[in-house]
Amino acid sequence: GQQLNQSPQSMFIQEGEDVSMNCTSSSIFNTWLWYKQDPGEGPVLLIALYKAGELTSNGRLTAQFGITRKDSFLNISASIPSDVGIYFCAGQQSGGSNYKLTFGKGTLLTVNP
Amino acid sequence: DTAVSQTPKYLVTQMGNDKSIKCEQNLGHDTMYWYKQDSKKFLKIMFSYNNKELIINETVPNRFSPKSPDKAHLNLHINSLELGDSAVYFCASSQGPQPQHFGDGTRLSIL
Repeated sequence: GQQLNQSPQSMFIQEGEDVSMNCTSSSIFNTWLWYKQDPGEGPVLLIALYKAGELTSNGRLTAQFGITRKDSFLNISASIPSDVGIYFCAGQQSGGSNYKLTFGKGTLLTVNP
Repeated sequence: DTAVSQTPKYLVTQMGNDKSIKCEQNLGHDTMYWYKQDSKKFLKIMFSYNNKELIINETVPNRFSPKSPDKAHLNLHINSLELGDSAVYFCASSQGPQPQHFGDGTRLSIL
C-alpha cells in the first residue's frame, strides 16, 4: 500500500527555535494536510494544501506542497511550549467518493522552555 | 459544541466480548470514517461511508462491522475482541474531499 515517509521521527528543541519537518511519498497526492495531535485528543487540522507549489501559512506555521506532488514540509517558527505534540502529514488522493487519508508516522516535538 | 463526538472515550473489556463504539457529527458532512491508531501512534483508515454507503473497507477483519443509520452517525461494532484490537479508534468526518475533522478517540483495552 501507499506509504508516507515522515521525518524526523522526533525533535527536542529550545523555546524560540525554528522547526522543520517533511514528508515524502512514492505516490502523487492531490492534497497534503498537516495535523497536530495533543495527548488524549484527536488530530487537529493545521494546514491544508491543494496545489503543487502552494505555500500556505497559519500564524507561525508554514507548509508547502511540493512541485512533484510527492512531498510536503511544515515549518514552525519561534517555537513555544504549547507547540509540543505529534505532528502528522497526510496525503489524500481523491477519486470518486474515496477521500481516504494516508498518514505519515508522525513527528514528536518536545519544546524545552 | 463538539463537532465529532465519540462514545465511550474509554473501553476496557475482556477478550472474546462484543462491543460497540458510537460516533456522531453535527457538521452536516456527507462522509464519515473510522481510523485505528496503534501503540506507535500510526493512523490507518479502516472504513469510509458516504451518505450511508460504504466506500472504503481497508482489509479489516470481518469481526469489525460499521453501520451508518444516517449521514450524521457512524457506529463500529466489534465481535469476538482480540488482544490485537487494543488501540485508539478515531472517527472523522468531511464534506467530500475537504479536510477531515476528527473526534477525540475511543481507547480500547482488551484484557
